[in-house]
Amino acid sequence: DQQVKQNSPSLSVQEGRISILNCDYTNSMFDYFLWYKKYPAEGPTFLISISSIKDKNEDGRFTVFLNKSAKHLSLHIVPSQPGDSAVYFCAARFPLYSDSGAGSYQLTFGKGTKLSVIP
Amino acid sequence: ETGVTQSPTHLIKTRGQQVTLRCSSQSGHNTVSWYQQALGQGPQFIFQYYREEENGRGNFPPRFSGLQFPNYSSELNVNALELDDSALYLCASAKQGAYEQYFGPGTRLTVT
Repeated sequence: DQQVKQNSPSLSVQEGRISILNCDYTNSMFDYFLWYKKYPAEGPTFLISISSIKDKNEDGRFTVFLNKSAKHLSLHIVPSQPGDSAVYFCAARFPLYSDSGAGSYQLTFGKGTKLSVIP
Repeated sequence: ETGVTQSPTHLIKTRGQQVTLRCSSQSGHNTVSWYQQALGQGPQFIFQYYREEENGRGNFPPRFSGLQFPNYSSELNVNALELDDSALYLCASAKQGAYEQYFGPGTRLTVT
């Protein structure tokens, strides 16, 4: 079962307008949510995160909103730029329990949304 | 500061063979995680290593195994390769407890 869902495979936005990427999750044990950006032939690059106890985090043109009751988060990019064109992954952090003790985590990813910003 | 590096970039193997993929963690990081990204999917967690021991595993069979070395470099070994193992394999390093993981560029494995 898919615990993190990105239901929009792709999104096209005009340069200068707002891009909104959405993500839904099912597991209440996730304690952090992250957005990663991926260009072709590169690994995912961390963009922004939010703790499960917050409802908003902002970093420059990027803002992430978390609605815990709806188990929904969104990434807003304002204004969108052509260089933002990439695949965006939503990821959720889940604790790993092992003999080595607490403090280790795995990430569960959605399938990604391909954002195209049109000049 | 050197980022996460992986080798090789691309690899072609035949079904039934064995493969070893390598990863060098970012300086100062003591955990390494491996992910499999199939075409059109998000990365899927394979396992994580901390203090040279497996620290957690996703839904992958035992033919997927790994090693972490004292210098925090790591290997992913896959035995008895199957066609469905064709994917991009990503390595990510982090400081234990940190929420952000830093990814390498990946190794593209093709099994024919």
